[in-house]
Amino acid sequence: DTAVSQTPKYLVTQMGNDKSIKCEQNLGHDTMYWYKQDSKKFLKIMFSYNNKELIINETVPNRFSPKSPDKAHLNLHINSLELGDSAVYFCASSHGPGGNTIYFGEGSWLTVV
Amino acid sequence: GQQLNQSPQSMFIQEGEDVSMNCTSSSIFNTWLWYKQEPGEGPVLLIALYKAGELTSNGRLTAQFGITRKDSFLNISASIPSDVGIYFCAGQISGGGADGLTFGKGTHLIIQP
Repeated sequence: DTAVSQTPKYLVTQMGNDKSIKCEQNLGHDTMYWYKQDSKKFLKIMFSYNNKELIINETVPNRFSPKSPDKAHLNLHINSLELGDSAVYFCASSHGPGGNTIYFGEGSWLTVV
Repeated sequence: GQQLNQSPQSMFIQEGEDVSMNCTSSSIFNTWLWYKQEPGEGPVLLIALYKAGELTSNGRLTAQFGITRKDSFLNISASIPSDVGIYFCAGQISGGGADGLTFGKGTHLIIQP
């Protein structure tokens, strides 16, 4: 069973579209994250949720809106996609917000054309 | 914010050689983690370090949490072809805060037959 699963794995879409990436974890963790990996493989946190509440919101355009319907799910919705949004988006989870090992999903490859 | 300097950026080695990479930080971290990312996959946790001075092994991998809490190294002994990938160090400040991980820029390991 996949611990942190995200869908879709690959997404190609046109500029201006709105798209969502879904994430689910079956590890019983309280905290979930979204990370972005750019073309140079640099990983940077975007959002963190603990028990469905937003606790980290890095400098991310407000076109990106995370939604956590329950603590096992954290979805990422992106409005008005731009070329620069092309990247790999990783969902992750941990037992708590600090000092706990973070486990990553397999990534969602987003290409905006 | 915290910054992690990871080196080397890339390594070209022969199968069977030992590998060493390290990360240094301008800030103190309470947790150091080492991840490996293979093409098309998410980062997978290799070793987690929670105490200054801690030395931990996982098979042919050994990692240490520096005494100053500002650095960590990862060694791989007797490299094999499946060790190829990108290795990331990550630091985390624990306790009370809601920080996610701060990642190094990765060490690309390439093994020549």
